[in-house]
Amino acid sequence: KAGVTQTPRYLIKTRGQQVTLSCSPISGHRSVSWYQQTPGQGLQFLFEYFSETQRNKGNFPGRFSGRQFSNSRSEMNVSTLELGDSALYLCASSAGAGDGYTFGSGTRLTVV
Amino acid sequence: GESVGLHLPTLSVQEGDNSIINCAYSNSASDYFIWYKQESGKGPQFIIDIRSNMDKRQGQRVTVLLNKTVKHLSLQIAATQPGDSAVYFCAENRANAGNMLTFGGGTRLMVKP
Repeated sequence: KAGVTQTPRYLIKTRGQQVTLSCSPISGHRSVSWYQQTPGQGLQFLFEYFSETQRNKGNFPGRFSGRQFSNSRSEMNVSTLELGDSALYLCASSAGAGDGYTFGSGTRLTVV
Repeated sequence: GESVGLHLPTLSVQEGDNSIINCAYSNSASDYFIWYKQESGKGPQFIIDIRSNMDKRQGQRVTVLLNKTVKHLSLQIAATQPGDSAVYFCAENRANAGNMLTFGGGTRLMVKP
């Protein structure tokens, strides 16, 4: 059974650019959540999508957005990148609330 | 979110000893708790979970204890092995919060051979 797949694994962008990250959940999982991990702030919730609808949103600026497709694959977008956006972006999929969450290996974003 | 402030204590144990990693969670309404292990360069890996109607759950070499009175969670690893070296995170979830997890700051476990 394939796990959660995140692409790309590594990304280097320049300040002011925008970036799109992709997450393919475990087959059959309809919930996809995104997290940002930094040494200073730890793991922080960005947003969650379920059946193509954003169900929860964390405390991040509007530059961070996402979407989910009908096949449950999800993308997150960060516009007008800032140096502080450098982080490991993790995606987790779940069959339902309180049903276990499986994380991908993450996308390491570096903003220069 | 209600992120616990970053604090990464380190626990150093001898191979073969038992390890106990502690976590204080923030929300009394949380009803589902998970322990994750994260190795360098990888995403968090599920270890064990527990729901609020339980106070203890055992897995293979791991036990999670939940004390709702003091909002405390612990992970016990029996016969710790070098492969257990990693950062361990506790995470909490509330039934009405969908799939939003709130993570603790993590504990680094170092196993000395």
